[in-house]
Amino acid sequence: GQNIDQPTEMTATEGAIVQINCTYQTSGFNGLFWYQQHAGEAPTFLSYNVLDGLEEKGRFSSFLSRSKGYSYLLLKELQMKDSASYLCAVKGNAGNMLTFGGGTRLMVKP
Amino acid sequence: DVKVTQSSRYLVKRTGEKVFLECVQDMDHENMFWYRQDPGLGLRLIYFSYDVKMKEKGDIPEGYSVSREKKERFSLILESASTNQTSMYLCASSPGGMVWYFGAGTRLSVL
Repeated sequence: GQNIDQPTEMTATEGAIVQINCTYQTSGFNGLFWYQQHAGEAPTFLSYNVLDGLEEKGRFSSFLSRSKGYSYLLLKELQMKDSASYLCAVKGNAGNMLTFGGGTRLMVKP
Repeated sequence: DVKVTQSSRYLVKRTGEKVFLECVQDMDHENMFWYRQDPGLGLRLIYFSYDVKMKEKGDIPEGYSVSREKKERFSLILESASTNQTSMYLCASSPGGMVWYFGAGTRLSVL
């Protein structure tokens, strides 16, 4: 089975840096995804990690440690528009499926 | 741009009604998925399909069925809606690999 944990809510200040953690226990692993979802909208793809290390994409970076079953999403120079839910998802061995954590609702304050 | 279109953004139904949620994708993807999203529980997989007329149960298939008669369309069916099926329903499609596209969701209320 799959178990994916992430904090329910986080608050940060505009211009700051925030790190959203995700831990997972899965029966197989073929990659970890981060999605952003604004209220009432579709989730949109942010990043994908399949090997250990840091992937950087502009203000967003994602880190993976497969041995620790751990990932984080790092958001720099926070903007008000970054207020959204951030979803961690794992692709396991069983076909082309994603299993999601509960999502982290990030509130960015002025 | 890939489009995954869900036919309704909001639906209100009564207990016991048969409910159809439709999802259409325009990129010839083989894989399509139905999730429900509830606060604190994230997205949970209901059913998925790898090809026309093919379906597989996800983690929470009870009370649901699906239909995939054409490659572009994947329908979720609630045979007899119940109040515990009040939720946000998200459809996704994927050509395989690391790419998934999601629809905007259908918020279903069962009264």
